[in-house]
Amino acid sequence: GENVGLHLPTLSVQEGDNSIINCAYSNSASDYFIWYKQESGKGPQFIIDIRSNMDKRQGQRVTVLLNKTVKHLSLQIAATQPGDSAVYFCAENIGGNTPLVFGKGTRLSVIA
Amino acid sequence: DAGVTQSPTHLIKTRGQQVTLRCSPKSGHDTVSWYQQALGQGPQFIFQYYEEEERQRGNFPDRFSGHQFPNYSSELNVNALLLGDSALYLCASSFDTGPFYFGAGTRLSVL
Repeated sequence: GENVGLHLPTLSVQEGDNSIINCAYSNSASDYFIWYKQESGKGPQFIIDIRSNMDKRQGQRVTVLLNKTVKHLSLQIAATQPGDSAVYFCAENIGGNTPLVFGKGTRLSVIA
Repeated sequence: DAGVTQSPTHLIKTRGQQVTLRCSPKSGHDTVSWYQQALGQGPQFIFQYYEEEERQRGNFPDRFSGHQFPNYSSELNVNALLLGDSALYLCASSFDTGPFYFGAGTRLSVL
């Protein structure tokens, strides 16, 4: 399969630990934010989203935090599992169906 | 309910040729966006189709064109292929202000 993210920042965590992946964005007009997970040979998989009128949103084992003051987004994964190993991208847009702008991506490596 | 489907999965072309990639959106979605993902990079927006018209376009040359059909499916066409067009081409579908869901992509190799 293809190698996604050959030279991306890497976060290595022990299985069962919590993971925190960070993303800085530059457009203060951004209104909508999404986290995607991309495994080798696959397209980006939607994980969780958040709009700018919120600062926290929780899903199953995942939490997204948004700090608009410093233009920072984070993804927290609880009890990280080997299946969580992938490249994670944050993406943003200015609302509606405007184009998504993707961050650089972070490779998460889970150590069993 | 099938998600976003793309065809073909892999394609090999030579410089100067043209290629057509296809996308069927997720059921209930009416907007299709195309992205190009180079190795080791995040996806880059090519263009978006809604109501059979190109609604928005990224910074890609006119060699990249597309179409949306009445059933909301879409095609991406690339003419006069260059080596630099080698990439993973992703289709994303959405409805209203909802999330964008991506297909598995088409891996295009230009030799």
